[in-house]
Amino acid sequence: DIQVTQTPTSLSASVGDEVTITCRTNFNPRNFLNWYQQKPGKAPSLLIFGASTLQTGVPLRFSASTSGTQSSLTIDNLQPEDSATYFCQQTYSTPWTFGQGTRVEV
Amino acid sequence: QVHLDEAGPGLVKPSEILSLTCTVSGDSINNYYWSWIRQSPEKTLEWIGYIDDTGSTKYNPSLKGRGSISRDTSKNHISLFLKDVREGDTGVYYCSRVGGRVWWSDPWGQGTLVTVSS
Repeated sequence: DIQVTQTPTSLSASVGDEVTITCRTNFNPRNFLNWYQQKPGKAPSLLIFGASTLQTGVPLRFSASTSGTQSSLTIDNLQPEDSATYFCQQTYSTPWTFGQGTRVEV
Repeated sequence: QVHLDEAGPGLVKPSEILSLTCTVSGDSINNYYWSWIRQSPEKTLEWIGYIDDTGSTKYNPSLKGRGSISRDTSKNHISLFLKDVREGDTGVYYCSRVGGRVWWSDPWGQGTLVTVSS
């Protein structure tokens, strides 16, 4: 299985800040790397797919990139509604695996 | 707009069979792959498996062969069966549509809570 290690587990930042979440895998997932946002009591929703493509409707302050076995999600100009837990997922090979999640508090 | 709605028993006893249904509206299940994913009480997400547009399936080996996914095209729904459940199977179970060349999951259903307890 491809292992996914996501850091940090949680972070707290202020409105307007920039934050970065990292996912490391033990195998290069190429661009088979997706990011999801989950708000309390809700199902996860797709944020970014293919390592760097924003899902329709996602604000441009969200961005992501990948380099080898490390992928990053950056939220620029953090807003109160960005408070949520963020997960990365590799779909390069089954079983598809998720990172442990990063709780972002604004 | 695609909508997924999971349904299940809520409470299942250890060693019994869990049966969940995901009813899809706004799209035909013949057009996409469909996944089941569960989230533990500790919020860890685990992919359970998928059924593709031909009806073929793939499962997470962590289930040790206990899982089975099927579809009913006449009802446009996907089912998950998990046998010999144990307390570690407790969690929220989601179904999702899978698509694109990188197998994104979108949308997800609202999830159904399953508790395994005697």
